[in-house]
Amino acid sequence: QQQVKQSPQSLIVQKGGIPIINCAYENTAFDYFPWYQQFPGKGPALLIAIRPDVSEKKEGRFTISFNKSAKQFSLHIMDSQPGDSATYFCAARDGAQKLVFGQGTRLTINP
Amino acid sequence: DAGVIQSPRHEVTEMGQEVTLRCKPISGHNSLFWYRQTMMRGLELLIYFNNNVPIDDSGMPEDRFSAKMPNASFSTLKIQPSEPRDSAVYFCASSRQGRDSPLHFGNGTRLTVT
Repeated sequence: QQQVKQSPQSLIVQKGGIPIINCAYENTAFDYFPWYQQFPGKGPALLIAIRPDVSEKKEGRFTISFNKSAKQFSLHIMDSQPGDSATYFCAARDGAQKLVFGQGTRLTINP
Repeated sequence: DAGVIQSPRHEVTEMGQEVTLRCKPISGHNSLFWYRQTMMRGLELLIYFNNNVPIDDSGMPEDRFSAKMPNASFSTLKIQPSEPRDSAVYFCASSRQGRDSPLHFGNGTRLTVT
């Protein structure tokens, strides 16, 4: 059972472009939505997170947009760089501390 | 801050053998999680502990899998007997207990069962 659906599976963008990764969920008990970034051979690392009481959060070049009514959220990367090439995971957590991950998006930024 | 430390980084074993993966969480973190990552299934939560007590093991795939946390600074995930379909990267993560506390992942153990 896929509780958090993530798309696309892979994405290729030119340097300077704005990749967008989308996630959707069904469980309305989820109240915390982080994004993790994973480089090859490493564990995932927290990038940015949002709670459903705000519609947007920015940290540097990374922005989360959140649509509570549609139960969707997305990650935008402004002015993307080759160093942003990684796998990105959205996730969701309910009050029980369990973090459920999307399937991941392999992002490639071409120079 | 040494981060979450996992050992070994790579493990290759034959089907039927016992495998033990080890994890040292970040000092002061009282929640510990074991995840498994595969191409087909992504990141799956296997089990998590709060204050060394297993809270939810519903993700443990079979009785062949077991996890322990004898103290706040050490946890093990054991597979006995191992099977080829157990081949995956196993991650340990820790966090402080709290609503928005981020998970800090180790670099994983890549397990190959032949």
